[in-house]
Amino acid sequence: EDKVVQSPLSLVVHEGDTVTLNCSYEVTNFRSLLWYKQEKKAPTFLFMLTSSGIEKKSGRLSSILDKKELFSILNITATQTGDSAIYLCAVELGGANSKLTFGKGITLSVRP
Amino acid sequence: ETGVTQSPTHLIKTRGQQVTLRCSSQSGHNTVSWYQQALGQGPQFIFQYYREEENGRGNFPPRFSGLQFPNYSSELNVNALELDDSALYLCASSLGAREQFFGPGTRLTVL
Repeated sequence: EDKVVQSPLSLVVHEGDTVTLNCSYEVTNFRSLLWYKQEKKAPTFLFMLTSSGIEKKSGRLSSILDKKELFSILNITATQTGDSAIYLCAVELGGANSKLTFGKGITLSVRP
Repeated sequence: ETGVTQSPTHLIKTRGQQVTLRCSSQSGHNTVSWYQQALGQGPQFIFQYYREEENGRGNFPPRFSGLQFPNYSSELNVNALELDDSALYLCASSLGAREQFFGPGTRLTVL
């Protein structure tokens, strides 16, 4: 059975801290790995990773994929209270459709 | 560019009733996927529609059904509602197998 595991499940940090969110996966036919941020309802797209070792960056957020060890990390530097959210990791499987298999999410709380 | 929209925002139903949820895909997108997100869980794939045909289905019973229209908007129908169907229902649109963009969701409560 395809599986995506995120850790830790929740995290509390102070503004200015750097955080690393982890995502490991075991799937039969990997196509890509995606990170989303979910604040109230709609998950908003952050990154799509398909190749190992290539860092994707957007402002204070960055992410990298290791296809040999089957994991990805999402880094957030100089955290702000606006970064408080649930961070979802999803793996897209190859095949006829682009079904996403999600982890449970990591709840990040950034305190002032 | 218009994003993904869903209606209604919230819905309360009783066990045994039927419900229809609606999704308008982002402009230019031809693929719609539906997900169910229970409290404290990640979204779970229900099914996907590509050019009006079902293109893959998750582990959900047949009382979950859907449609996609020629303008690529979509409906999710759930018959014989059960208490466990209470969840946030998310619709995501994409251009084929490219990254999926989510709508704001419909919060369904079954009493």
